[in-house]
Amino acid sequence: GQNIDQPTEMTATEGAIVQINCTYQTSGFNGLFWYQQHAGEAPTFLSYNVLDGLEEKGRFSSFLSRSKGYSYLLLKELQMKDSASYLCAVKDSNYQLIWGAGTKLIIKP
Amino acid sequence: IAGITQAPTSQILAAGRRMTLRCTQDMRHNAMYWYRQDLGLGLRLIHYSNTAGTTGKGEVPDGYSVSRANTDDFPLTLASAVPSQTSVYFCASSDSGSGDHNEQFFGPGTRLTVL
Repeated sequence: GQNIDQPTEMTATEGAIVQINCTYQTSGFNGLFWYQQHAGEAPTFLSYNVLDGLEEKGRFSSFLSRSKGYSYLLLKELQMKDSASYLCAVKDSNYQLIWGAGTKLIIKP
Repeated sequence: IAGITQAPTSQILAAGRRMTLRCTQDMRHNAMYWYRQDLGLGLRLIHYSNTAGTTGKGEVPDGYSVSRANTDDFPLTLASAVPSQTSVYFCASSDSGSGDHNEQFFGPGTRLTVL
């Protein structure tokens, strides 16, 4: 079966750095996406990786290792507004997104 | 309109009733999707459409139907609602169903409660 694993919840301090891991087992791989979802709102796109390595976009970076079936999202200089759920999704061989359950990130002052 | 709209925002429905959730996008995206999101679970694909006139079944299609008469609209119908269909429903669209970096854009969601 297809599976995306992420930690359920993480806590970090304002101004710090946090890494959210995602491991996947899917039928085929056509890219990995990270989305942010604030409580009661819709998911919004953060990043996309299809080749191994690090993609940096401001305070957010995403890393992919296809051989290990592994990705992480790195958030730097954490702000209170970063409190949200972070969703990992893999596009499978049918070009459909398979979603993880999300990681709820709690930022403390 | 800018982006994707969904209606209604929320609804309480008696079991056995028929209900249509509406979704409209103005980005001229080819592909559209319906997901449900339940606590502790990832988004699960109900139905999708890669282009107007075509639809396909996702991971959890039972009890739901869709149509795609034109590019902009993608309604989701529950023929006879059951309590297990209580969920938050998100409509999404993307430039194409296949391809590489075709991020999906999401509507604000419909919170549905079936009693």
